[in-house]
Amino acid sequence: GNSVTQMEGPVTLSEEAFLTINCTYTATGYPSLFWYVQYPGEGLQLLLKATKADDKGSNKGFEATYRKETTSFHLEKGSVQVSDSAVYFCARNSGYSTLTFGKGTMLLVSP
Amino acid sequence: DVKVTQSSRYLVKRTGEKVFLECVQDMDHENMFWYRQDPGLGLRLIYFSYDVKMKEKGDIPEGYSVSREKKERFSLILESASTNQTSMYLCASSLEDHNQPQHFGDGTRLSIL
Repeated sequence: GNSVTQMEGPVTLSEEAFLTINCTYTATGYPSLFWYVQYPGEGLQLLLKATKADDKGSNKGFEATYRKETTSFHLEKGSVQVSDSAVYFCARNSGYSTLTFGKGTMLLVSP
Repeated sequence: DVKVTQSSRYLVKRTGEKVFLECVQDMDHENMFWYRQDPGLGLRLIYFSYDVKMKEKGDIPEGYSVSREKKERFSLILESASTNQTSMYLCASSLEDHNQPQHFGDGTRLSIL
């Protein structure tokens, strides 16, 4: 079946450090790929998406490129802020517009 | 702006009770979803609906049922609550196009005592 694997956390960084959160997906079909972010006490918010190979999604300084050859969609940010502390979820779509999520990666950014 | 509203942020119920969790969206979305979120397990799909009165089982439907009588409202029902259903429940909605993202409510933290 479809699955998404992302790196386990927590990822602990200092402010202004470079961020990478790895995500790989099963290659069934041609899925759209998403990154969601969950701040404490809230639901998930869409961060960015990509719908086909080589697409780059970007938002709020975050980027991810759809890599079909490596079945990856790694999230990157050049300079993290304390306010970026949250849980990040990678997801791929499956049948009936459903999503399959990774288990989430907690990011902690210290001043 | 897109809005998915869950009726309660926190709920405490007793074992054996019938529990209703309500979700309303104001975006005229065709699809609606219920997930539960547990530490170390991520989000798991319980049920979803792609049209009024239509429902499909997700990955973990046991112990749950759903109702969608109107397009904007999707209810999750715990027929006889058990302690292992203590969790965070998230509702989401989306357009029919599978490339469109899902929009989430803020969640209901349910405790079964």
